[in-house]
Amino acid sequence: DTEVTQTPKHLVMGMTNKKSLKCEQHMGHRAMYWYKQKAKKPPELMFVYSYEKLSINESVPSRFSPECPNSSLLNLHLHALQPEDSALYLCASSQDPGRPSPLHFGNGTRLTVT
Amino acid sequence: DQQVKQNSPSLSVQEGRISILNCDYTNSMFDYFLWYKKYPAEGPTFLISISSIKDKNEDGRFTVFLNKSAKHLSLHIVPSQPGDSAVYFCAASAAGNTPLVFGKGTRLSVIA
Repeated sequence: DTEVTQTPKHLVMGMTNKKSLKCEQHMGHRAMYWYKQKAKKPPELMFVYSYEKLSINESVPSRFSPECPNSSLLNLHLHALQPEDSALYLCASSQDPGRPSPLHFGNGTRLTVT
Repeated sequence: DQQVKQNSPSLSVQEGRISILNCDYTNSMFDYFLWYKKYPAEGPTFLISISSIKDKNEDGRFTVFLNKSAKHLSLHIVPSQPGDSAVYFCAASAAGNTPLVFGKGTRLSVIA
């Protein structure tokens, strides 16, 4: 069982749809992350939140919009996506943004854009 | 430019033998290194880490070795078990806890 919970597990959406991915952790971690992973590739960082504030945006297109409502929750709002955005979207958390510590990943949301 | 390289896309090992997965890095500012295991349809699972002040860290069947002068680290799994079959990612971060940089992964198959 993972301590980072992501919903939904699978999502199929059209290019005109608006949808949201959700992530929750109750480990008291103060950093949360969104990664994107394509098949046979490593995870690619999208966004980092430290103490509920966006600290890193890796030049992600504006059709992806992150939100951190509180220290336990992280959302990724999706709008007008392209088929090439189809991927596994992984949420992760770590204990302290200022100190090296492992990232704990959720099981991801498998997104298909049609 | 890849800062973390896993040059072997795949590795097959007999059950009970040692698995050795290798990782090279180019950024001399990296000071914290991790190994993750990933099964299909799951997120990466943290296995073991090592900071640059050490050259070895052990946790059960898993040992990570760090050679800073060669900018090389390796993960040893002994004895290997069929349940170890997965993709293994090496990752690194620099001082100040910069975001992790991942290698491309090595698919380990442990054959019974």
